[in-house]
Amino acid sequence: ETGVTQTPRHLVMGMTNKKSLKCEQHLGHNAMYWYKQSAKKPLELMFVYSLEERVENNSVPSRFSPECPNSSHLFLHLHTLQPEDSALYLCASSYGLAGSNEQYFGPGTRLTVT
Amino acid sequence: SQQGEEDPQALSIQEGENATMNCSYKTSINNLQWYRQNSGRGLVHLILIRSNEREKHSGRLRVTLDTSKKSSSLLITASRAADTASYFCATDADVNAGGTSYGKLTFGQGTILTVHP
Repeated sequence: ETGVTQTPRHLVMGMTNKKSLKCEQHLGHNAMYWYKQSAKKPLELMFVYSLEERVENNSVPSRFSPECPNSSHLFLHLHTLQPEDSALYLCASSYGLAGSNEQYFGPGTRLTVT
Repeated sequence: SQQGEEDPQALSIQEGENATMNCSYKTSINNLQWYRQNSGRGLVHLILIRSNEREKHSGRLRVTLDTSKKSSSLLITASRAADTASYFCATDADVNAGGTSYGKLTFGQGTILTVHP
């Protein structure tokens, strides 16, 4: 266990549904990240939060809406997704934003959009 | 263009053999990290090497960095079946986003290592 949990672990949703992914870290970190991992593609950084403030939106479509209510929780709200959004969504956290800091990853949510 | 690219894409070896994976990148970096991912799970940090370091060891892991060639290698010695996983290199470079600087990690596509018992 890395100290980062994600729920649900698997999610199947239709293109008209609205769902949310949840991430929680128990490490006292102050930076949190959402990544997308698609088959045969490198891990893509989606969003970066530091002290609950969004630092980076890496050109992510508006059908993905992040929320960080406190430094321990991070959500990804999903609506009107497309089949190409099917992927493994990984949450990570770190102590600070420096690239030298180790990132701790959750187990991911396997999302299938039908 | 992709920052980190691993080579080979897949590697199959017998238990006890050494496994070497390579990573090449294109732009200047601050640090390079290696991560491991078991199938369908999150990534686990293995080791970090700074741009002013040439070699680093951690248990059965040995990482080298050649900034002149913009490449790194990860060597796993005396491999075990439990080492079967995907291995990723990640380079970090400072990015300024709306006035806040952060170290963005850019991951390669990974090397799939299979160690046969």
